Amino acid sequence: NAGVTQTPKFRVLKTGQSMTLLCAQDMNHEYMYWYRQDPGMGLRLIHYSVGEGTTAKGEVPDGYNVSRLKKQNFLLGLESAAPSQTSVYFCASSYRGSEAFFGQGTRLTVV
Amino acid sequence: KNQVEQSPQSLIILEGKNCTLQCNYTVSPFSNLRWYKQDTGRGPVSLTIMTFSENTKSNGRYTATLDADTKQSSLHITASQLSDSASYICVVTDHTGGFKTIFGAGTRLFVKA
Repeated sequence: NAGVTQTPKFRVLKTGQSMTLLCAQDMNHEYMYWYRQDPGMGLRLIHYSVGEGTTAKGEVPDGYNVSRLKKQNFLLGLESAAPSQTSVYFCASSYRGSEAFFGQGTRLTVV
Repeated sequence: KNQVEQSPQSLIILEGKNCTLQCNYTVSPFSNLRWYKQDTGRGPVSLTIMTFSENTKSNGRYTATLDADTKQSSLHITASQLSDSASYICVVTDHTGGFKTIFGAGTRLFVKA
């Protein structure tokens, strides 16, 4: 049982480049989330989805886009990466609003 | 503004000792409070969850308490082990629906032999 899997685990981007982070869960959860974690701060919600084909903005959505074309996948896109987007990104899923299960994170550095 | 503040920021203890981590919140109306453990390089893993009516919850050597009147919670770790070295994150969800879940910045615990 893999749980929540994030791809890639590490990435270095140049300013202005684009990339997509992939999150896959095998627990048949309806809800999925993308967070970023920065030093000295709590996790902050970027975007979330309550079901296939639906997405919504979280606390810090600017500069990111998401898509939930399949129930098990939640993609986070950066169209034009900026140094301020250097962070560790976590995907999570849950059965509605219950306990969230997190992936292992993606460490992104934008230079 | 809804906030979750944790103290101390970091803590060093000797293996076998007990410790208590604190969480104060201003989130209102309150729905539930969770404590997560986050090992270095890993995602957070839930330890306990408490709703408004619960004031204590245990998970092995971890015991969480909640005082909803004073908006305070604590996580007590008994007989610490080296594997307890991690960040402990307090997370509070409000009762208005949506996704008003606020994460604390965490307490970094180091357990030394």
